[in-house]
Amino acid sequence: GESVGLHLPTLSVQEGDNSIINCAYSNSASDYFIWYKQESGKGPQFIIDIRSNMDKRQGQRVTVLLNKTVKHLSLQIAATQPGDSAVYFCAETFAGGTSYGKLTFGQGTILTVHP
Amino acid sequence: EADIYQTPRYLVIGTGKKITLECSQTMGHDKMYWYQQDPGMELHLIHYSYGVNSTEKGDLSSESTVSRIRTEHFPLTLESARPSHTSQYLCASSEPRLAKETQYFGPGTRLLVL
Repeated sequence: GESVGLHLPTLSVQEGDNSIINCAYSNSASDYFIWYKQESGKGPQFIIDIRSNMDKRQGQRVTVLLNKTVKHLSLQIAATQPGDSAVYFCAETFAGGTSYGKLTFGQGTILTVHP
Repeated sequence: EADIYQTPRYLVIGTGKKITLECSQTMGHDKMYWYQQDPGMELHLIHYSYGVNSTEKGDLSSESTVSRIRTEHFPLTLESARPSHTSQYLCASSEPRLAKETQYFGPGTRLLVL
């Protein structure tokens, strides 16, 4: 297929470091955000989500931060491991109307973890 | 682990052939989606369905068509494949839970049209 977007940004870290992956979203009406991890040859896998009435949510080794003022989302991975190497996508959606449930994906970031 | 399946995983075919990519989910989700993703690139929604007999075009124009005759099945068809259709096709499904709408993805089908 034809490429319609930009090639993905990359982040390289050492094993054990903390990683921060950033995402700028486009729709100020979006009220639900998801981070996905996509390993080579696989479909995206759900990592963590956050609703717009929160500004922080923590999971196991991951934290998502939401700044609605500047429409910015970040994923923090603590003690990054080689198994965390993948492409990370943020996605947004908003309730209501015919678009309910449709996700708009961000550009994605390639995370490479060096042993 | 989501129960959503795609077949075939890999497909190499010649130009002009008709192909159908299969997607099935056993979660009883009403909503299903097809995305197209080129290597190292973003996901683009090409089709979605809110239930049986419901199909809609996505944000990215596609020459493919879809059908939704059964809740669990959402096949994608290309009547005449061309090299420009070479890409990865990802299927997903979702169901609202507590005002959330998380989509679960299948493993994808990598299509190469010669």
